[in-house]
Amino acid sequence: GAGVSQTPSNKVTEKGKYVELRCDPISGHTALYWYRQSLGQGPEFLIYFQGTGAADDSGLPNDRFFAVRPEGSVSTLKIQRTERGDSAVYLCASSLTGNEQFFGPGTRLTVL
Amino acid sequence: AQSVSQHNHHVILSEAASLELGCNYSYGGTVNLFWYVQYPGQHLQLLLKYFSGDPLVKGIKGFEAEFIKSKFSFNLRKPSVQWSDTAEYFCAVTEYGNKLVFGAGTILRVKS
Repeated sequence: GAGVSQTPSNKVTEKGKYVELRCDPISGHTALYWYRQSLGQGPEFLIYFQGTGAADDSGLPNDRFFAVRPEGSVSTLKIQRTERGDSAVYLCASSLTGNEQFFGPGTRLTVL
Repeated sequence: AQSVSQHNHHVILSEAASLELGCNYSYGGTVNLFWYVQYPGQHLQLLLKYFSGDPLVKGIKGFEAEFIKSKFSFNLRKPSVQWSDTAEYFCAVTEYGNKLVFGAGTILRVKS
């Protein structure tokens, strides 16, 4: 079946702008995760959804970052007033059991 | 907070050489352990995982890992690498089956 998909694959924006990154999980997966991967580092956890609700948002760096999953499937990560330090690859993963996570290809965000 | 250390950031091997990539984690309780691989231009894929039982875990493509609880380690091994194993390898851990905590990754280059 189809894997996790993310759009766009690349996003270039200017400092101060607002961006939205989309994740389509594997059909039927109730758990959805967002991670951020900076150059030379491993992915870092941002937020985890179980169904429609955010079960753990402890990894969101500040209140400029927000994520939603209104129908328990597609999720959108929203970043307000982007800063150059937000430049990274944003990864989405989904899971059925909560243990094994399946990753999407990521969105590479560049803030100029 | 949980942390994961990968000892080597870059490893260069010739084909047929043996591989061992080190991974140590900080949490002393019950953990689930993973190795993910990212081939050039591809997304993160699960290589193998340990939840419980036999501490020697076998994964795809001839890889295996050994969980040593007393050393907080989960090292990845392969007896004979191939050029196609060139990739970045990430060790990761979860405490409660939710968010993954990743190491910084090891870039493996296999010379043909």
